[in-house]
Amino acid sequence: QSVLTQPPSVSAAPRQKVTISCSGSSSNIGNHYVSWYQQFPGTTPKLLIYDDNERPSGIPDRFSGSKSDTSATLGITGLQTGDEADYYCATWDSRLSAVVFGGGTKLTVL
Amino acid sequence: EVQLVESGGGLVKPGGSLRLSCAASGFTFSSYNMNWVRQAPGKGLEWVSSIALHTYIYYADSVKGRFTVSRDNAKNSLYLQMNNLRAEDTAVYYCARAGGSTWFSDHWGQGTLVTVSS
Repeated sequence: QSVLTQPPSVSAAPRQKVTISCSGSSSNIGNHYVSWYQQFPGTTPKLLIYDDNERPSGIPDRFSGSKSDTSATLGITGLQTGDEADYYCATWDSRLSAVVFGGGTKLTVL
Repeated sequence: EVQLVESGGGLVKPGGSLRLSCAASGFTFSSYNMNWVRQAPGKGLEWVSSIALHTYIYYADSVKGRFTVSRDNAKNSLYLQMNNLRAEDTAVYYCARAGGSTWFSDHWGQGTLVTVSS
């Protein structure tokens, strides 16, 4: 059972928008920055979003991050079949003194 | 270009030990915190350990007392000594550079597979 809760799967049609939620608590999301990662099968995870809503260089602005209270959201607009991947949220948990990951969300672009 | 190359994975019996290494290049290693993250076959990402520049070291409860993280800034290398290995430690182990004070991982290695089986 992950400390951060993500839906196991989401789906949407090409060119549409999808959001992936990440729910936590005051000891993690509520007081610490959230990051998001994209992972294609058999490949290394890639940083998509850090510090709640910042994109590393090279990440298109179709990807966005937001946070409210103890929940964070990854948004992807203009969906492409190439966006089909697993997405993970992560943050620091001050009660556990640990980095915590969500269980991951599989995105399907129908 | 930032590069992280893990090595040292392999097949080990339950109760055995392994030492993973991560060779870093393309950045000033001594200026960055570092993470170890693992992924069991078909499962999600699981944080293992983080080591700060000088003092702070953190471990997941699942490995505390069995795993030891260390770094050698002179060799631009990160290590993970894994003792008393269990079947549930079977995973791909990734070395990752921490990009900020909140420990997000901005660059990842390709990973090294550790299989614990008799």
